[in-house]
Amino acid sequence: GAGVSQSPSNKVTEKGKDVELRCDPISGHTALYWYRQSLGQGLEFLIYFQGNSAPDKSGLPSDRFSAERTGGSVSTLTIQRTQQEDSAVYLCASSLLYRGYGYTFGSGTRLTVV
Amino acid sequence: SQQGEEDPQALSIQEGENATMNCSYKTSINNLQWYRQNSGRGLVHLILIRSNEREKHSGRLRVTLDTSKKSSSLLITASRAADTASYFCATDADGTASKLTFGTGTRLQVTL
Repeated sequence: GAGVSQSPSNKVTEKGKDVELRCDPISGHTALYWYRQSLGQGLEFLIYFQGNSAPDKSGLPSDRFSAERTGGSVSTLTIQRTQQEDSAVYLCASSLLYRGYGYTFGSGTRLTVV
Repeated sequence: SQQGEEDPQALSIQEGENATMNCSYKTSINNLQWYRQNSGRGLVHLILIRSNEREKHSGRLRVTLDTSKKSSSLLITASRAADTASYFCATDADGTASKLTFGTGTRLQVTL
C-alpha cells in the first residue's frame, strides 16, 4: 500500500482481556518497528523486526507483550491480560532497510484499558 | 530511557518568525533524524543527518549536528500556522542493532 496501515485505530478493552493490534507495512520495507506513546510523552521502543533475523525484543515491558511478523510483511502485537498502564497509542513504523533511512509511521492504535 | 532530550519543551511564536529547537543525546550515533507529530498520532519524517555531516537543508528546515557536543538543532524559518506540531529528534546509536531512540519532543505553537 501507499503507507503504513494500522488497525484498529481505536480500541477500548476491559482490564484482563487480551488485545491484538495489526500493522501492514509498506510493501518492500524490510524493517518493522513497534513503539508506544503515553499521553504527552515521547516514544518508547517495543520491538523491531529485520528481514529473517531474530527480532529485537529488548523493549517489551513484560512477558504479557509479544509480537510476530508473518511472511516478512504484516505484524501483530499482542497484549495479554491488559492492565490500565497499557493504555497508550501504539505506533508501527517501517523502513526500507535496517539503517540509514527514515521511518514511515502508521497513524497508530489508541488503546484504552478500562 | 530517552537518548535524546529536546529543548525547549514548548515554544510559542508568531507566524513569520523562526523557530529553533535543540536536541542533546548521550552516545555515539550513526545518524540523527527529526520527526513532526500532529495531534498525537503518526510521526512524519522530516530530515536525516549522518554523523559525518554538519549541516543539512530541506526547504524551510535547517538541521545542524555537532557530534563533539552530542547535540543537534532544527531551525524552521518563516514559520506558518501549519507548522504547529510536536517535533522529535531520534538517534540511531552507533554499534547497536538499528532502532531509533526518540527524545521527549518540543511542542511548537505558531500563532497568527
